[in-house]
Amino acid sequence: AQKVTQAQTEISVVEKEDVTLDCVYETRDTTYYLFWYKQPPSGELVFLIRRNSFDEQNEISGRYSWNFQKSTSSFNFTITASQVVDSAVYFCALSEANFGNEKLTFGTGTRLTIIP
Amino acid sequence: NAGVMQNPRHLVRRRGQEARLRCSPMKGHSHVYWYRQLPEEGLKFMVYLQKENIIDESGMPKERFSAEFPKEGPSILRIQQVVRGDSAAYFCASSPTGTGVTHEQYFGPGTRLTVT
Repeated sequence: AQKVTQAQTEISVVEKEDVTLDCVYETRDTTYYLFWYKQPPSGELVFLIRRNSFDEQNEISGRYSWNFQKSTSSFNFTITASQVVDSAVYFCALSEANFGNEKLTFGTGTRLTIIP
Repeated sequence: NAGVMQNPRHLVRRRGQEARLRCSPMKGHSHVYWYRQLPEEGLKFMVYLQKENIIDESGMPKERFSAEFPKEGPSILRIQQVVRGDSAAYFCASSPTGTGVTHEQYFGPGTRLTVT
């Protein structure tokens, strides 16, 4: 069965610092997808990125970057020069290629607080 | 193109009442997933439906919970005889296909159920 672990429950950093959120996953499938979602205090889920298991290239989008390493089953998320608006709960999730059933398995989330 | 819509956004029920949560997928999407987020926890998969079919209900509690996605109209998550432990945020997500190819899920804003 698949599993996603976000060991960091809460992180606080001072504004403009860089911060990395860790995500470790377990799956028996060779084909799978990894996601990051942001949940701001307003409660909605904001999609950040989707990455398939065949694409190990790191990705950068503005201040956000993702490091996917199959060898360690990790998909870490870094925010550079953090801002107060980055304060939120961040979820990592996994979806297996399971005959069309794309249900997501979520980690327990990391609550990030950016201190002004 | 309207996103995934859920209503009501907030629902208060007394213990023993019924709760009906509605989810209208994005236009052209025929696959719906329901997730539950208990307070201070991550999201957990409940059920996956296609039009008129329940594909995977492995995450649904065995009693009091049911879901449907009729040919016409929104998907409904129904909770009978609610208890305080049902208080949570319920999110639905829709997907354009079930082939396991795109793994795109678009989340609604959620329904926050409070049982008093």
